[in-house]
Amino acid sequence: SQKIEQNSEALNIQEGKTATLTCNYTNYSPAYLQWYRQDPGRGPVFLLLIRENEKEKRKERLKVTFDTTLKQSLFHITASQPADSATYLCALGGANNLFFGTGTRLTVIP
Amino acid sequence: DAGVTQSPTHLIKTRGQQVTLRCSPKSGHDTVSWYQQALGQGPQFIFQYYEEEERQRGNFPDRFSGHQFPNYSSELNVNALLLGDSALYLCASSLAGSQPQHFGDGTRLSIL
Repeated sequence: SQKIEQNSEALNIQEGKTATLTCNYTNYSPAYLQWYRQDPGRGPVFLLLIRENEKEKRKERLKVTFDTTLKQSLFHITASQPADSATYLCALGGANNLFFGTGTRLTVIP
Repeated sequence: DAGVTQSPTHLIKTRGQQVTLRCSPKSGHDTVSWYQQALGQGPQFIFQYYEEEERQRGNFPDRFSGHQFPNYSSELNVNALLLGDSALYLCASSLAGSQPQHFGDGTRLSIL
């Protein structure tokens, strides 16, 4: 079955720096990959979607890359702010469902 | 424009009982998916409903069942509750054939 690993459970970073989160997967060839943000006690909020034929996608301070050969996605937050502190989830898309990783808890230190 | 709404927000049950959770999709969406999220884990796909039919199902036992109504709202039913069913249950809606999914804030189910 498919396996999705996010690089670490927790990542601490200084305000203003770039945060880089990693998502690796095996036994799957997703049509697309998504990143979500989840705050404590809340549902996931969609951030970015990248398709298998796309290498990079940007939205404001966010950037996602997708390497289907390495089976890896990188998620970058530039000029990080304390308000970016949250858990970030990687999700692989099938026809009708999503498979999620366990998430990386990001803390941006002022 | 209301997003995905779920009720109740919290629920406490005992082992062996049955529970029904409810979801209203985002306006304009016709597809509803349900996920289970244990503490410290990512959401796990339970099933998806479209046109009042279960379209796809994850690796969950038959104790988990669902329903979709003509107005696209949905229910998740869990029978014979086990301690391991304690989790956050998330509902997500989308327009058929398109992404992304929009999530509600979930129902926190605790089994005693």
